[in-house]
Amino acid sequence: AQSVTQLGSHVSVSEGALVLLRCNYSSSVPPYLFWYVQYPNQGLQLLLKYTTGATLVKGINGFEAEFKKSETSFHLTKPSAHMSDAAEYFCAVSDLGGSQGNLIFGKGTKLSVKP
Amino acid sequence: SQTIHQWPATLVQPVGSPLSLECTVEGTSNPNLYWYRQAAGRGLQLLFYSVGIGQISSEVPQNLSASRPQDRQFILSSKKLLLSDSGFYLCAWSVGPSGNTIYFGEGSWLTVV
Repeated sequence: AQSVTQLGSHVSVSEGALVLLRCNYSSSVPPYLFWYVQYPNQGLQLLLKYTTGATLVKGINGFEAEFKKSETSFHLTKPSAHMSDAAEYFCAVSDLGGSQGNLIFGKGTKLSVKP
Repeated sequence: SQTIHQWPATLVQPVGSPLSLECTVEGTSNPNLYWYRQAAGRGLQLLFYSVGIGQISSEVPQNLSASRPQDRQFILSSKKLLLSDSGFYLCAWSVGPSGNTIYFGEGSWLTVV
């Protein structure tokens, strides 16, 4: 069965600093991996996803993530944080052996950006 | 383009009262539909999913139920709410097999008092 672990429930960075949000997955089959962002009191919005092909995936708002099979990781990065990046971020893996089309989510990492 | 609508956005209900949250998707046919619940610090929990009209699968035992009376309509219900039902409920949709993106509605805040 697939699972996702997000290291750090809260991450705080200064504006302009590097953003690094960590995600490790467990999957017995080649995974499909996703990052979503949730702003306060809103639904989740897709940032980026990896299915096959290039392991470095670029998403919206300047975010990118790299699939590293050897490390079973899919960390999310952004070179320079903006105040508007403050939100909660969820990593997810496709539930390929279970519910049709479902994703298995990590518990989320709340990103704070200090001026 | 596809859109998803979910309502009401916020709801305050007394313990023991009924619940009905509605969700509709526009711009696509035969979507997979989902209800998730989000509790603070616990991520997203899948409650129900549906691959077609009248086809509902439950992921966790609880006093909630779901129905899909039309292709693009998904309803979350309860006959008697519990305090523990409070949370942020998200409707979502996808098309096709596993691995495709899931798109979320704006969510509904339920407070049971």
